[in-house]
Amino acid sequence: NAGVMQNPRHLVRRRGQEARLRCSPMKGHSHVYWYRQLPEEGLKFMVYLQKENIIDESGMPKERFSAEFPKEGPSILRIQQVVRGDSAAYFCASSPGSPLLNTEAFFGQGTRLTVV
Amino acid sequence: QQQVKQSPQSLIVQKGGISIINCAYENTAFDYFPWYQQFPGKGPALLIAIRPDVSEKKEGRFTISFNKSAKQFSLHIMDSQPGDSATYFCAASDNQGGKLIFGQGTELSVKP
Repeated sequence: NAGVMQNPRHLVRRRGQEARLRCSPMKGHSHVYWYRQLPEEGLKFMVYLQKENIIDESGMPKERFSAEFPKEGPSILRIQQVVRGDSAAYFCASSPGSPLLNTEAFFGQGTRLTVV
Repeated sequence: QQQVKQSPQSLIVQKGGISIINCAYENTAFDYFPWYQQFPGKGPALLIAIRPDVSEKKEGRFTISFNKSAKQFSLHIMDSQPGDSATYFCAASDNQGGKLIFGQGTELSVKP
């Protein structure tokens, strides 16, 4: 059973370009979470999605950032018109069931975004 | 109120010693407290987790101690090994939204 797969592992974008980060959850997992980790800092929650639904986007910046988890295919975190401050590691986690059951979230290896 | 404060920021321990990392929280709605281990270039991996209905949980060399009244919890690594050198994060969740609130992390270095 493959773990949470994120791609690309490294992404370099020029200021103003778009970044698309992909996350394939573990098999059988229908809950996906995105976190951002700035250098020397902890992980900050961004968004929580279930298939075709955004459950909690309280950590998402109001502009330029969006996320989706379609019925088929991976979850996508999209950053439009990237700026240098978007440079960070972006981690995806997935879990099999409702958070009310305290089910463990498994993390991917992350995508390291560098904006030049 | 959503913060989880973690200390120390960095820790150096001799091989065989005990590593202790502390976390404190304010939100009394938190009811799930996991610890994650992260190696450079990797994603966080769950080490051990506790709920507030117990004061201690042990798994191998790793122990969580939980003090509900003080709103504090800590990770103890017994017989620390060089392979334990990593960054450790405490986290908390109120289980109503699925999201984890992470501490700032502790960079542990175990010297041989």
